[in-house]
Amino acid sequence: QSALTQPASVSGSPGQSITISCTGTSSDVGGFNYVSWYQQHPGKAPKLMIYDVSHRPSGVSNRFSGSKSGNTASLTISGLQAEDEADYYCSSYTSSSTYVFGTGTKVTVL
Amino acid sequence: EVQLVESGGGLVQPGRSLRLSCAASGFTFEDYAIHWVRQGPGKGLEWVSGISWSSRDIGYADSVKGRFTISRDNVKNSLYLQMNSLRAEDTALYYCAKEISGSYYGFDYWGQGALVTVSS
Repeated sequence: QSALTQPASVSGSPGQSITISCTGTSSDVGGFNYVSWYQQHPGKAPKLMIYDVSHRPSGVSNRFSGSKSGNTASLTISGLQAEDEADYYCSSYTSSSTYVFGTGTKVTVL
Repeated sequence: EVQLVESGGGLVQPGRSLRLSCAASGFTFEDYAIHWVRQGPGKGLEWVSGISWSSRDIGYADSVKGRFTISRDNVKNSLYLQMNSLRAEDTALYYCAKEISGSYYGFDYWGQGALVTVSS
C-alpha cells in the first residue's frame, strides 16, 4: 500500500488561507468518503482535525475544513494563525480494510 | 477522560522480539476498534495494524504482515502488539489510537507512544 501524496510544505501569512492536497487512488481516497486529517506539533501525538472528508470533531476550530474531488482530498485552513504551524497528515480507509497515511505536509506561518 | 498509555518499548537486537501494550481508560474499551500507528525518527505516520472490538476483524500493513500480531483483552482494557523478527526499519515511536466508531473512520484519541529501537 503506497502512501498518499501530499506536498512537502505549504506556507502562508497570518490571516491567509492555505490548502493542503492529498492524492490517492480509487482504492482509497477515491473509493470511500473516509478521509481524515491530523495535526502534529513537534514532540506531540497527532490530533484529529477532520474525519469522513469534511466532519470536524468537537473542539476543533471551524477555520479547518475538508473536501474531496475524485482521488484527491483537501484540507483548508482559513484565517491562518501562528498556532497552526505544524505537520499535517491525511489518512484514508482502503479497499483492503486497512488504513494508509499521507506523506505529510509541513505548514509554515510566515 | 480518555487515556491510552503505551508500554513495553525499548532497545532490541535485530531478529529478536518485543511486545507492546496499550492500557485504555475513560471509555468503553470493548465497543471500539483500536489501532497501532508508528512514526520512524524524522519520518511520517505509518498505519501498522488494527483490530475490531470483537477481535474478529484484524488487519496489518504489508511491511509487518507475518511478523507482527495484534490482540486485545476487553476484560483488562488492553491492546497488544507482538513484534517478532524485528528489523532496523521497525525503529519507531509506536502509538495506539482509538477509532472514532463503527460508523465513522479515523482516530480520535492517541497515546503518547512507546519507543522501539532495533539495533545491534
